[in-house]
Amino acid sequence: DQQVKQNSPSLSVQEGRISILNCDYTNSMFDYFLWYKKYPAEGPTFLISISSIKDKNEDGRFTVFLNKSAKHLSLHIVPSQPGDSAVYFCAARGAYSGAGSYQLTFGKGTKLSVIP
Amino acid sequence: EAQVTQNPRYLITVTGKKLTVTCSQNMNHEYMSWYRQDPGLGLRQIYYSMNVEVTDKGDVPEGYKVSRKEKRNFPLILESPSPNQTSLYFCASRNSGTGRKETQYFGPGTRLLVL
Repeated sequence: DQQVKQNSPSLSVQEGRISILNCDYTNSMFDYFLWYKKYPAEGPTFLISISSIKDKNEDGRFTVFLNKSAKHLSLHIVPSQPGDSAVYFCAARGAYSGAGSYQLTFGKGTKLSVIP
Repeated sequence: EAQVTQNPRYLITVTGKKLTVTCSQNMNHEYMSWYRQDPGLGLRQIYYSMNVEVTDKGDVPEGYKVSRKEKRNFPLILESPSPNQTSLYFCASRNSGTGRKETQYFGPGTRLLVL
């Protein structure tokens, strides 16, 4: 059973417009959410995160919104740039259980293409 | 430079021939893990290690072994590779502790083809 879902495998956006990537989760015990960005032939790199006690976190052009009641989060990129073209993974972290033992559960990823 | 390194980056092998993919990190991280990425399935965790000599299964451990004899190294071992282990593999590391903002640092990936 997939606990973190990214239902859109791909998304195309015009340069300068807003990109919205969505992520849904089913486990209410998740307390921290992260977005990773992955270019071809490279490992994923951390982009932005949000704690479950917040509903918004902003970092430059990137904003993550969390709707706990809907178990939904989204990543907004404004304005989108061609260099943003990559696969974006949503990840959720389970409750901390001591000695650093928590697990990250990843979604399947959404491939964003920003068209010049 | 803080980094996670993996070797080899690309590997073609045949069914049943034992192989090891090495992973090393220079950030003194306690926690290390291995993922595989497959089309339509995203990133799935194979094994993880919370510290030296402490390892545990992730979501898809079958057909894999790991060891953590040193803090910086976390090799992934395929004793008898099969074609369904053809995949892109990522090693990752992070700090343990009570800080809630740690993120995982990923290696560049190892693309494995098992014939």
